[in-house]
Amino acid sequence: SQTIHQWPATLVQPVGSPLSLECTVEGTSNPNLYWYRQAAGRGLQLLFYSVGIGQISSEVPQNLSASRPQDRQFILSSKKLLLSDSGFYLCAWAHSANRETQYFGPGTRLLVL
Amino acid sequence: GENVEQHPSTLSVQEGDSAVIKCTYSDSASNYFPWYKQELGKGPQLIIDIRSNVGEKKDQRIAVTLNKTAKHFSLHITETQPEDSAVYFCAARLWGGSARQLTFGSGTQLTVLP
Repeated sequence: SQTIHQWPATLVQPVGSPLSLECTVEGTSNPNLYWYRQAAGRGLQLLFYSVGIGQISSEVPQNLSASRPQDRQFILSSKKLLLSDSGFYLCAWAHSANRETQYFGPGTRLLVL
Repeated sequence: GENVEQHPSTLSVQEGDSAVIKCTYSDSASNYFPWYKQELGKGPQLIIDIRSNVGEKKDQRIAVTLNKTAKHFSLHITETQPEDSAVYFCAARLWGGSARQLTFGSGTQLTVLP
């Protein structure tokens, strides 16, 4: 069966510091991968998605970036965090052939102070 | 693009009663409609989904109905229990579309009162 991992689970960072959140998927090959942000416990905002290694599509212009260095690894980064970057970050995956259902990871709660 | 509206934003029911959450979508070409349940501090979990060639689908106490003509779909939870308390999200997707095309509603906070 497939599993999706995210770490860290919780992160507190000062404004202006860098960020690196990691997501990995097990039990499947060539998945579609997604990063979402959820603010105030509601509303899923799609940030990035990837259909393959090195292929990143950005949905919302901001100071975040994403990378996919390996087939089942998706990384969300920032060079300088802003207060507004605080939120709950969710990674999701979907089968590349059957893209309809997305499965979410446990999330990373980020607090920027 | 697709737009999904979800109502109500909050819903409180007594334990044992039924709960109904409704969503409308704008793109008539959408044909896949999943529902997710998100417990506090966790990622959303898929609980049921329906495709446009089906009008209703049931899984124990949960059911989803779809009205393609009116472009709306609903989640029905019967015999609610305290563990049903969570935020529920609906979504819509265009079959065969690009990888990004899953549009979410804004969520419903369901509280089941004991």
